[in-house]
Amino acid sequence: GENVEQHPSTLSVQEGDSAVIKCTYSDSASNYFPWYKQELGKGPQLIIDIRSNVGEKKDQRIAVTLNKTAKHFSLHITETQPEDSAVYFCAASKRSQGNLIFGKGTKLSVKP
Amino acid sequence: DSGVTQTPKHLITATGQRVTLRCSPRSGDLSVYWYQQSLDQGLQFLIQYYNGEERAKGNILERFSAQQFPDLHSELNLSSLELGDSALYFCASSSPPVETQYFGPGTRLLVL
Repeated sequence: GENVEQHPSTLSVQEGDSAVIKCTYSDSASNYFPWYKQELGKGPQLIIDIRSNVGEKKDQRIAVTLNKTAKHFSLHITETQPEDSAVYFCAASKRSQGNLIFGKGTKLSVKP
Repeated sequence: DSGVTQTPKHLITATGQRVTLRCSPRSGDLSVYWYQQSLDQGLQFLIQYYNGEERAKGNILERFSAQQFPDLHSELNLSSLELGDSALYFCASSSPPVETQYFGPGTRLLVL
């Protein structure tokens, strides 16, 4: 079955710097890759997603890139702010199966 | 607010007991997914229902069961509870053709 690996497990940056989180997946049939942000005591919140027919997607300070050949995708956050501090999860799924397979998460700390 | 509601927020019970977790999907969403989040296993898919029918099963124990009712709300039943069942349980909902899953706030289960 699908396996998603996520790195790093923790990431500390200064406010205003960029943060990059990387994920790899094993199943070449996976075609949907969302990213979720989870704050303490809350459920995962979708922040951006990308489908396999697209190589890059941006939404203000957040961008996701996908390399289907290498089977990896990355989350880029620019001009980080303290409120970006949270745990970020990548995930993958196949159209034939709606369930998401999650990475283990990255705890991002943005220091003011 | 994702529009997905879950009750109760917290649940404390003893080993051997049975509990029921409830989820109401976003208005119009036909699919409900249940996930378990624990420190050692991360976010793991348990089961999916689509318009009242079971669609997919993940790492769900035989002691666990779920159903989706005609009004589309779903219940996850956990029986013969063990200490290791202590975790956060999330439900998410979505509707075709978009796979985007929106998560509820979760139910924190503590088995003593």
